[in-house]
Amino acid sequence: DTEVTQTPKHLVMGMTNKKSLKCEQHMGHRAMYWYKQKAKKPPELMFVYSYEKLSINESVPSRFSPECPNSSLLNLHLHALQPEDSALYLCASSHSPDGPNEQFFGPGTRLTVL
Amino acid sequence: GQQVMQIPQYQHVQEGEDFTTYCNSSTTLSNIQWYKQRPGGHPVFLIQLVKSGEVKKQKRLTFQFGEAKKNSSLHITATQTTDVGTYFCAVNNYGQNFVFGPGTRLSVLP
Repeated sequence: DTEVTQTPKHLVMGMTNKKSLKCEQHMGHRAMYWYKQKAKKPPELMFVYSYEKLSINESVPSRFSPECPNSSLLNLHLHALQPEDSALYLCASSHSPDGPNEQFFGPGTRLTVL
Repeated sequence: GQQVMQIPQYQHVQEGEDFTTYCNSSTTLSNIQWYKQRPGGHPVFLIQLVKSGEVKKQKRLTFQFGEAKKNSSLHITATQTTDVGTYFCAVNNYGQNFVFGPGTRLSVLP
C-alpha cells in the first residue's frame, strides 16, 4: 500500500461547527504533515508530526488542532473556522523525520466554510 | 525568512516544444525537491537533488541543481498534453520541512 488516504473529500461547515479531517497511511512512515493550499497557490505547511509527536507548528491559529493517535493516523480538528479558512487541506507522509525525504501526498479535503 | 522564486509563473507551449522552469532561493540550500500537481489533483514527487551541480534525468525530464546550491531547473523535452500541470520546487534549508515555491503552471496546446 503506497498511498495516503484522506476523508472526507469535501466538507462544508458553518463557522460554529466542529468537524475533523482524517488522514491515514500504511507505509510505515514516521513523519506526517498537514498543508493548506489556496487556489492557484503552493501548499503551505501547517504542522509536522515526527514519531507521533508534534515537532513543527507554523504559527497556526488554535482553531486548528492536530492529533496523531498512532503512527498511521493523523487528524485535524476544526472549530470556529472563518470563511478565509476555506481551502484544500492536504495530508502528507514521509519515511523518516530524520532528514529530507520524499513526501507522499493524499488527495486532500476540500473545505468550504460558510 | 526563506525566499523562493519560480519563473515563469505561467507557460503556454505547443505540444512538442520544450519547457523549462527555474527555481531560485535567497539562501544556500541543503537539497531541493520537485513536485507536479495536475489540475484538481495533489502534488506528486518527481525528484530530489542534493549535490552541487547535480543533474538527474527521468525520460523527457532533466533536473539540475546549481553549483552554488541556490537554484535549480526542470527541463521537459518535447512536451506532451500529459505534462499539463503546476510544477513546484520545494526547498530545504538544513531543516526538517520544505518550503514550496509559488509554482509554474504549464499549459500544452495539442
